[in-house]
Amino acid sequence: NAGVTQTPKFQVLKTGQSMTLQCAQDMNHEYMSWYRQDPGMGLRLIHYSVGAGITDQGEVPNGYNVSRSTTEDFPLRLLSAAPSQTSVYFCASKTLMSGELFFGEGSRLTVL
Amino acid sequence: DAKTTQPPSMDCAEGRAANLPCNHSTISGNEYVYWYRQIHSQGPQYIIHGLKNNETNEMASLIITEDRKSSTLILPHATLRDTAVYYCIVRVLGSGGSNYKLTFGKGTLLTVNP
Repeated sequence: NAGVTQTPKFQVLKTGQSMTLQCAQDMNHEYMSWYRQDPGMGLRLIHYSVGAGITDQGEVPNGYNVSRSTTEDFPLRLLSAAPSQTSVYFCASKTLMSGELFFGEGSRLTVL
Repeated sequence: DAKTTQPPSMDCAEGRAANLPCNHSTISGNEYVYWYRQIHSQGPQYIIHGLKNNETNEMASLIITEDRKSSTLILPHATLRDTAVYYCIVRVLGSGGSNYKLTFGKGTLLTVNP
């Protein structure tokens, strides 16, 4: 039972480069979301989706794009990475009506 | 949406009960109290939730005051592996609102000492 899988676990980028953080879940959850966590901070919501083709902004969406073409996958794109995007990123999923979120193990991104 | 207030840190001796408080004085009648924890560098993990009755599962107990303005998460016999940041969250279940834009504060860092 894989749950929520994030790749890569670690990534180093140079300023201005682009990349995609991948997130996949095998629990048939309608809801998926991305968070970032900076040292000493709680988790801040970047984007979320309540189903294929439906996405919406969270608390800190600037600099990030998302799409949801399938129920299973919810990639997070950084089009032009900035040092301020150095963070640990967590993907999470749940059923629509539930409050119980299932988190991935995180992706640690460093932008130089 | 109701805000929550938690102490930034707490200590507990191994084998003793850890009692983590959370204040949610503006909670509304249809909002649930959820607890998660985050062990260092890992993704947060769901622990327990409740509406107004006390709840218990294999991980912890949740005590909600009668006026629902505060709650306490109890780890009955804390171990070193329970050292983590514990988040108290209030949310409405169902579609939209706080159940979609789920926010986590800074939580309480519980340190279990040998």
